[in-house]
Amino acid sequence: DVVMTQSPLSLPVTLGQPASISCNSSQSLLYSDGNTYLNWFQQRPGQSPRRLIYKVSNRDSGVPDRFSGSGSGTDFTLKISRVEAEDVGVYFCMQATHWPPFTFGQGTKLEI
Amino acid sequence: QVQLVESGGGLVKPGGSLRLSCVGSGFTFRDSYMNWIRQAPGKGLEWLSYISSGSGSFTYYAESVKGRFTVSRDNAKNSLYLQMNSLTAEDTAVYYCARDGSLTSWGQGTLVTVSS
Repeated sequence: DVVMTQSPLSLPVTLGQPASISCNSSQSLLYSDGNTYLNWFQQRPGQSPRRLIYKVSNRDSGVPDRFSGSGSGTDFTLKISRVEAEDVGVYFCMQATHWPPFTFGQGTKLEI
Repeated sequence: QVQLVESGGGLVKPGGSLRLSCVGSGFTFRDSYMNWIRQAPGKGLEWLSYISSGSGSFTYYAESVKGRFTVSRDNAKNSLYLQMNSLTAEDTAVYYCARDGSLTSWGQGTLVTVSS
C-alpha cells in the first residue's frame, strides 16, 4: 500500500499569514494516463471532510483562490496564501493512483 | 446540489451486526461509483470499500474489513449499503459514504459505537 506522510501534524498560524502543508508518498503518484491522482481535503471542526483540490492543483468549485496545490511524483504541497479564521480544521492528502486501497495522510491540524 | 445522507449507525455489542445506508441525490446515482470511509474518534480517515457504478459488479475492501463487511447498492432507491458483521471495538467510528474515486462529495456521517 502507498503510505502518505504529512508534515507538520500541527500548524499554528497567524491570521493573514501564509501556511504550507507537505505530503509525501512512498511511491510516485504519476499514473500511466499522465495524471497524478493526489487530492486534498479540509475537515472543519464538527464537519465531514470536503475536497479542496484534485489532481494536485485543481481547485474545487467554491474553494477560495488563496488555496493552491502543487507538486509531482512523491512530493506535494498545499498552500494557503493568507489564512482566515474559517480555515481552521484538519487537512488531509489522499492518493487515488495506486488503489485499492485509497490511502490518506495522517492529517494536519491548522489552528490560529 | 449533490447530497449524500447516511443512516443506520448506533450502539452495537461486540460480535454484532449493523447495516448502514447512504442515499444520494442531485446526481445520477447509478453512474457513480461509491465508497465507504470511516474515522475513529479523534483519528484520521480510513478508506473501507468501493463499489462500481451500474450493477456494482466490482467491489473492493480494505484488509481491515475484508470478509466482515459487504458493500452493495440499489440504484432504484439511489442507495448504497454497508453490511457490517463481527464488529469489534476497533470498528467504533463515524462512517461516511463518498462519491467516486476522488471522493468528490461526502455525507455527514453516521456514528457506529461497538461496546458491551
